[in-house]
Amino acid sequence: EVVLTQSPDTLSLSPGERATLSCRASQSVASNFLAWYQQKHGQAPRLLIYGASFRAAGIPDRFSGSGSGTDFTLTISRLEPEDLAVYYCQQYATPPPWTFGQGTKVDMK
Amino acid sequence: EVQLVESGGGLVQPGGSLRLSCVTSGFTFSGRLMQWVRQAPGKGLVWVSRINNDGSSKDYADSVKGRFTISRDNAENTLYLQMNSLRAEDTAIYYCVRTRWGAGGPAFDYWGQGTLVSVSS
Repeated sequence: EVVLTQSPDTLSLSPGERATLSCRASQSVASNFLAWYQQKHGQAPRLLIYGASFRAAGIPDRFSGSGSGTDFTLTISRLEPEDLAVYYCQQYATPPPWTFGQGTKVDMK
Repeated sequence: EVQLVESGGGLVQPGGSLRLSCVTSGFTFSGRLMQWVRQAPGKGLVWVSRINNDGSSKDYADSVKGRFTISRDNAENTLYLQMNSLRAEDTAIYYCVRTRWGAGGPAFDYWGQGTLVSVSS
């Protein structure tokens, strides 16, 4: 099973600042099949990024993904108040189980 | 518009059973691999099960193997999760999830609103 470790656990930033979220895998993620999801309080998760760097439909371009192998990053270039959420990375490369990171909470200063 | 609407959750005693349903619309259901993902209260996301487009291939997390059964009815555009021998640790919101296809691989692109399963005496 591929273990994903996200850091930091919590990120406190001001609107307009840049947010950098990290996801590290216990083994290389084949084909960079790594996704990022946003979950706002009381809502279902929403796909932001797939294939490590492809933005999903309707996602603002302030969200970007990068990385390969075992190290991946989600960047929010200019934080908006509506970006307050928990962000999860997920690998879907290996045979099941497909695993999620523990989440990074982004809150506003 | 893609829609996934779960139902069937509720309060059940340990050892009991529930059947979750997910009615879908807005896409060709029979062409998509589908998943169930759960989230215990205040916790993270955990993959539970998947089924391929025609129902011939199924996979389960170790924690539910032998107790849960995933199935689908392509004529009714509906996904199911039969849950038997329920335990307190199965308490969670259960999400029905569609899987995308194409370049970038099978990420989970649409999620239902979830249905809450509570296992308690």
